[in-house]
Amino acid sequence: KNEVEQSPQNLTAQEGEFITINCSYSVGISALHWLQQHPGGGIVSLFMLSSGKKKHGRLIATINIQEKHSSLHITASHPRDSAVYICAVRETSGSRLTFGEGTQLTVNP
Amino acid sequence: KAGVTQTPRYLIKTRGQQVTLSCSPISGHRSVSWYQQTPGQGLQFLFEYFSETQRNKGNFPGRFSGRQFSNSRSEMNVSTLELGDSALYLCASTLDPSGTEAFFGQGTRLTVV
Repeated sequence: KNEVEQSPQNLTAQEGEFITINCSYSVGISALHWLQQHPGGGIVSLFMLSSGKKKHGRLIATINIQEKHSSLHITASHPRDSAVYICAVRETSGSRLTFGEGTQLTVNP
Repeated sequence: KAGVTQTPRYLIKTRGQQVTLSCSPISGHRSVSWYQQTPGQGLQFLFEYFSETQRNKGNFPGRFSGRQFSNSRSEMNVSTLELGDSALYLCASTLDPSGTEAFFGQGTRLTVV
């Protein structure tokens, strides 16, 4: 079992739909990151969370430390949101990041 | 403020050769981590450097090595390249290893033929 599990692996949505991507982890963490990767490879950090909720534009990220679970929500999705979304955790025992396998999101016009 | 710069962006090498990749972190950031991304294994941690010292190393063979210079720029080296080393190599910079936000470079795509 991976230390970081994401679901779903693939997600196809229509423009305007509300999207949720989930991340569960099994280790103690000091922070959780949501990352976005477009074709071509570059990774952009969307959020870093250690508790509660953060919002940036149409993106919202939440984390429940007790349940070891985080969600990334996209409101009013747009084709330009199409990308791979990756959850990564920084364990309390160290400083390295451990990654989920990513969620491939496709938003159709 | 300039982002994380990785060079080169693309590289094609032959089996048995060696390769050196470079990462320049965000100005003021002193911690650099390297990751390998392959379709089969996803993103995996290679190593982390802080103040010219390797703090952590992932589960990779000794052919993979790295170093960090006094200006925080980091290089990673892979010797005796194998086909399986074909991957996207990403580096991330943070202010320090204490868990601040990580900023990623665009990556170097290495193809071994």
